[in-house]
Amino acid sequence: ETGVTQSPTHLIKTRGQQVTLRCSSQSGHNTVSWYQQALGQGPQFIFQYYREEENGRGNFPPRFSGLQFPNYSSELNVNALELDDSALYLCASSLWAARGNTIYFGEGSWLTVV
Amino acid sequence: GQQLNQSPQSMFIQEGEDVSMNCTSSSIFNTWLWYKQDPGEGPVLLIALYKAGELTSNGRLTAQFGITRKDSFLNISASIPSDVGIYFCAVTPSGGGADGLTFGKGTHLIIQP
Repeated sequence: ETGVTQSPTHLIKTRGQQVTLRCSSQSGHNTVSWYQQALGQGPQFIFQYYREEENGRGNFPPRFSGLQFPNYSSELNVNALELDDSALYLCASSLWAARGNTIYFGEGSWLTVV
Repeated sequence: GQQLNQSPQSMFIQEGEDVSMNCTSSSIFNTWLWYKQDPGEGPVLLIALYKAGELTSNGRLTAQFGITRKDSFLNISASIPSDVGIYFCAVTPSGGGADGLTFGKGTHLIIQP
């Protein structure tokens, strides 16, 4: 139990649609990161939010966007869904510039695009 | 971008055997992390390594931060059924701060009864 909760746990969308995934960070954590994990792969960094602003981004197109709210919870939005967007989306919370042992992952949201 | 080469890709072992897996990179890193992921769950941190040459244990798990800062290994002694899962190495960005973790592709551990 990491204290990081994600919703929904599973969802199915049609190609071209938009999706919003949600994450509640562990109490006291002010930084949220999102990762995409395709089947058989390790998680890949999408972006990170701190003080309600995106301040780090991996190699993902602009149709992947996010928000962080004053209570540090976060959303990941993906527009114009493609079949390759099918993956497990993981949220991780931490304190800003935390050492590796204080980054906690949620259980993820499984997205299937058909 | 940064790439971690993790091996082996999968391991089929008998209960009670020792396990060894490793991760290498062409770049230098300041932190190496080892995670385990069970089906349907997010990664859980097993061991964090912060210093070149550091050897750290967590129960039956032992991990080392390579002296060149380009590699790390994880050993599991006397494997038990609950060790089944996917093990990932990961590194923190060299510059620190706003970039995320980089993960290897994972080692899938399967224990045969």
